[in-house]
Order: sequence, then structure tokens, then C-alpha cells
Amino acid sequence: ESVLTQSPGTLSLSPGERATLSCRASQSVTSRYLAWYQQKSGQAPRLLIHGASNRATGIPDRFSGSGSGTDFTLTISRLEPEDFAVYYCHQYGSSPYTFGQGTELEIK
Amino acid sequence: QVQLQQWGAGLLKPSETLSLTCAVYGGSFSGYYWNWIRQPPGKGLEWIGEMNHSGSANYNPSLKSRVTISIDTSKNQFSLKLSSVTAADTAVYYCARGKWMVRGVIISPIDYWGQGTLVTVSS
Repeated sequence: ESVLTQSPGTLSLSPGERATLSCRASQSVTSRYLAWYQQKSGQAPRLLIHGASNRATGIPDRFSGSGSGTDFTLTISRLEPEDFAVYYCHQYGSSPYTFGQGTELEIK
Repeated sequence: QVQLQQWGAGLLKPSETLSLTCAVYGGSFSGYYWNWIRQPPGKGLEWIGEMNHSGSANYNPSLKSRVTISIDTSKNQFSLKLSSVTAADTAVYYCARGKWMVRGVIISPIDYWGQGTLVTVSS
């Protein structure tokens, strides 16, 4: 099983700043099958990025993903008020599929 | 527009069987894997398992002995059964549309989710 470890656990930033979230896998992620989700309180997760760097339909271009192998990054270039939420990485290339424990992005 | 609507019992006693169903509206049903994911209160996401329209299934080994996913292609519905529940199974359970594969390549991962059902296990 591929364990995904996200860092930091909590990130405190202000609107307009740049956010960098990390996801490290215990095994190389098959074919860059790595996704990022945003989850707000009381809601289902929303797909942001798939294939490590491909934005999902309707996702603003301030969200970008990068990485390969075991190290992946989600970058939000200029934080908007609606971006403060919990973010999860997810590998879907090797069963059992797994999620990171989440990074909470909070307003500073 | 794809929508997933789920339902099932929200309060169970220990040792009972959890049963949830998810109906899919819009989009193709046969081209995807259909998933169940859960999230304990205040915690992260755990993948439970998936099945495609042909009945090909994958389960999380941590739950495999207690989980059954079934699919009804005539109704565009799929279901989850989890037996012998305990308090540790208390969580919000989500159904979700999973991977779409073309010639062995995964084109997209889990993208559409149901609204979630809080299942509480308590005596």
C-alpha cells in the first residue's frame, strides 16, 4: 500500500499570498496517477488536479500541480478567500488507492 | 450534468450490516468504476472499494472481508454492504464516480461525489 504523507499539516496564509502544499508517497506513483482534492466543511471533496498536473474542468488557473515519482506539489498562486479549505492528495494508480491525511489551509 | 444521490440507514447497532445505495443520473454508467469512500468525523478519507459495470471489483484489504459492492446496470445504481459494524465504522460514507479507462490508461480519477451519508454505530 502506498502511504501518502502531506505537509505541512496546517498552513496559515493571507489572501493574495502563494500556497505550496506537498505530498510524498512511500512508493513511486504509477504513471503520475496523482490527484488533488479540495474539501470544505460539510461538503464532498472537489477534484482540482489529476495526472499530477492536469487541471480538472472548471478549476481556475491559479491552481497548478507538479511532480513525479514520490514527490508532488500543489501550488495556489494567489489565494482567494474561497481557497481556504482542506486539501488532500490521492493516488489512484495502485490498489488500494490511498489519500494523504490532508493539509488545512487557514486564513492568517 | 452528472449527479450521484445516495441513501441508506444512518444509525446502526454494533454487529449490524451497513447498507447504502447510490443512484447515478447523467453521463455514461458503463464506462466508469463506481466507488465508495468514507471519512470518520474530523478525519481524512479512506477508499473502501470500486466496481465497474461488468462486475470487476477492487476492495481495500483492510475492509475486504466485510465489504460487498454490487451494481445494477438496469437502474444505474450501485450499493455498499459492510457487515459486522463497530463504532470504528462511524463515518460519512460517500459514493463517487471513479476512474475512466481507455485502452489501459486512466483518463480521469474520482471526480463526481454523492452528498455523503453519516452512518453512526452505537449501542
